[in-house]
Amino acid sequence: DAGVIQSPRHEVTEMGQEVTLRCKPISGHDYLFWYRQTMMRGLELLIYFNNNVPIDDSGMPEDRFSAKMPNASFSTLKIQPSEPRDSAVYFCASSEGHVNQPQHFGDGTRLSIL
Amino acid sequence: GNSVTQMEGPVTLSEEAFLTINCTYTATGYPSLFWYVQYPGEGLQLLLKATKADDKGSNKGFEATYRKETTSFHLEKGSVQVSDSAVYFCALSLQGAQKLVFGQGTRLTINP
Repeated sequence: DAGVIQSPRHEVTEMGQEVTLRCKPISGHDYLFWYRQTMMRGLELLIYFNNNVPIDDSGMPEDRFSAKMPNASFSTLKIQPSEPRDSAVYFCASSEGHVNQPQHFGDGTRLSIL
Repeated sequence: GNSVTQMEGPVTLSEEAFLTINCTYTATGYPSLFWYVQYPGEGLQLLLKATKADDKGSNKGFEATYRKETTSFHLEKGSVQVSDSAVYFCALSLQGAQKLVFGQGTRLTINP
């Protein structure tokens, strides 16, 4: 079975540009999570969805960040405008709806803002 | 609040050495506990889990026992291999919640 698929794998762009990260969760999974990983701050949960509805966005750093899940098979994380401090690896993960089910992570998008 | 604290890395061992990575937690209620592993250039993947006190999770030679009295979930392996080199994350989830709280990660390097 295909795992969680993220695109692009790498993104390099200039400060001020809009960045869109994409995620396709595992089919049948009810939950979708967006994380950011940096050396300084470790792994941070940005937002998560249940059945396409955002449940907790308290980790979204500021209004420049937004996330959508228009259907069960697709989600986007958008940064507009981007800043150098947004450089990080962004992970998407999905899980089934039952208690204690593991989260399945994609391979991440490495984002560099120049 | 709910939090997970792991031993500071990096940890460097020789092949076939015994491994312990310490993990302690603070939580309201009775959490489930997890160890995830991240290999270079990849996302995290579940290594093992334990859902109640005294449970032992095990996988690929790794083990961890849920100790409620010491609020710990230490990761152990009797004989490590070069292929075990990775970053290891301890995490908890509260009952009924899908959200995970992760520790800061411990980088492990095994030398041949």
